[in-house]
Amino acid sequence: ETGVTQSPTHLIKTRGQQVTLRCSSQSGHNTVSWYQQALGQGPQFIFQYYREEENGRGNFPPRFSGLQFPNYSSELNVNALELDDSALYLCAQRGTAPGELFFGEGSRLTVL
Amino acid sequence: GENVEQHPSTLSVQEGDSAVIKCTYSDSASNYFPWYKQELGKGPQLIIDIRSNVGEKKDQRIAVTLNKTAKHFSLHITETQPEDSAVYFCAASKTQGAQKLVFGQGTRLTINP
Repeated sequence: ETGVTQSPTHLIKTRGQQVTLRCSSQSGHNTVSWYQQALGQGPQFIFQYYREEENGRGNFPPRFSGLQFPNYSSELNVNALELDDSALYLCAQRGTAPGELFFGEGSRLTVL
Repeated sequence: GENVEQHPSTLSVQEGDSAVIKCTYSDSASNYFPWYKQELGKGPQLIIDIRSNVGEKKDQRIAVTLNKTAKHFSLHITETQPEDSAVYFCAASKTQGAQKLVFGQGTRLTINP
């Protein structure tokens, strides 16, 4: 049990729509990151937030955006959904030791 | 940027035997190497990690080795049990700056009773 909670667990959208995914942590750490995991692949880094500011981004277009709130909960927003956005979206919180990352169970997005 | 290669993609072993999964990385500045276990329908679970100042680390039936010169690291599971069946991912990152884990492609481990 990592204490990282994501919602919703599953959702279906159609191409062109927008989606918001949510993440919260029992411990409330000031750093949160998001990853995309396509079927049969390893997770890919989308971006990281530190003290409510984005401080690192992977190879994802601007239609992927995020927010981190003062209570350190976080949102991932994806605009203009494409079929290839279908994936498991994972939120991760830092652990106490340098480098440690603990993942939530993910939100599975299907784009039709 | 960092690139992590993982082999094999699938591995099937008899219960009680050992399993070994190998990864290579490209960025010599990477200094943190975690391993994750992912069961069906769940998020990745951190099972063990190793840092660049250590060559080997053990935790009960699981061990990880790191060869910085060759830029490869391995996961060893001994006395395998059916509950070890899952997909395993290696990853690499630097602990400074943005915490960006670069993952391998995964190994589907099946333990046959």
